[in-house]
Amino acid sequence: DADVTQTPRNRITKTGKRIMLECSQTKGHDRMYWYRQDPGLGLRLIYYSFDVKDINKGEISDGYSVSRQAQAKFSLSLESAIPNQTALYFCATSDWTGLTDTQYFGPGTRLTVL
Amino acid sequence: AQSVTQLDSQVPVFEEAPVELRCNYSSSVSVYLFWYVQYPNQGLQLLLKYLSGSTLVKGINGFEAEFNKSQTSFHLRKPSVHISDTAEYFCAVKVAGGKLIFGQGTELSVKP
Repeated sequence: DADVTQTPRNRITKTGKRIMLECSQTKGHDRMYWYRQDPGLGLRLIYYSFDVKDINKGEISDGYSVSRQAQAKFSLSLESAIPNQTALYFCATSDWTGLTDTQYFGPGTRLTVL
Repeated sequence: AQSVTQLDSQVPVFEEAPVELRCNYSSSVSVYLFWYVQYPNQGLQLLLKYLSGSTLVKGINGFEAEFNKSQTSFHLRKPSVHISDTAEYFCAVKVAGGKLIFGQGTELSVKP
């Protein structure tokens, strides 16, 4: 079984709709991240959470919100989707152990906003 | 601000040829550098990382990278590529708070 799972894997929606992307992990990590990937831009950080009570904005948080329901679950919401939010979204986790802090990625959610 | 620049957006190469994917970073503090690979329709997985110590870092699948502080580079190399190495490769630098800043990505296309 995958350590980091994302649902749904693909989603097509319309402008103005509310969308929630979910991420679950079985790695026992404290830290979780949401990124979006756009061609030619690499991955950009939307939000990150270092534990259940700690939520932080990344470089492109406008238009998004998150919820850390439990150590293992971190959801990303688009309150009113717009076409330029069409992208590939990745969830990642990491376990802070000094220098290592390797991030582990889910398989991604491809979101299309019409 | 810290940043990462991948100098090539696409690198086509023939099978069994050597390849180098270039990455430059800007950072005013201690540098922790990573290369991730993304195979088609998959998430990213770690290839290798530089935290400290030897500047030549070996990773999975025969890849290696060399940290060059004077040139602020962390280029990825493989002496002989396979078709299965076709993927997108991302260089990243760790910044304050444990976050990663990614480069724009390099698409490696290995042709028979």
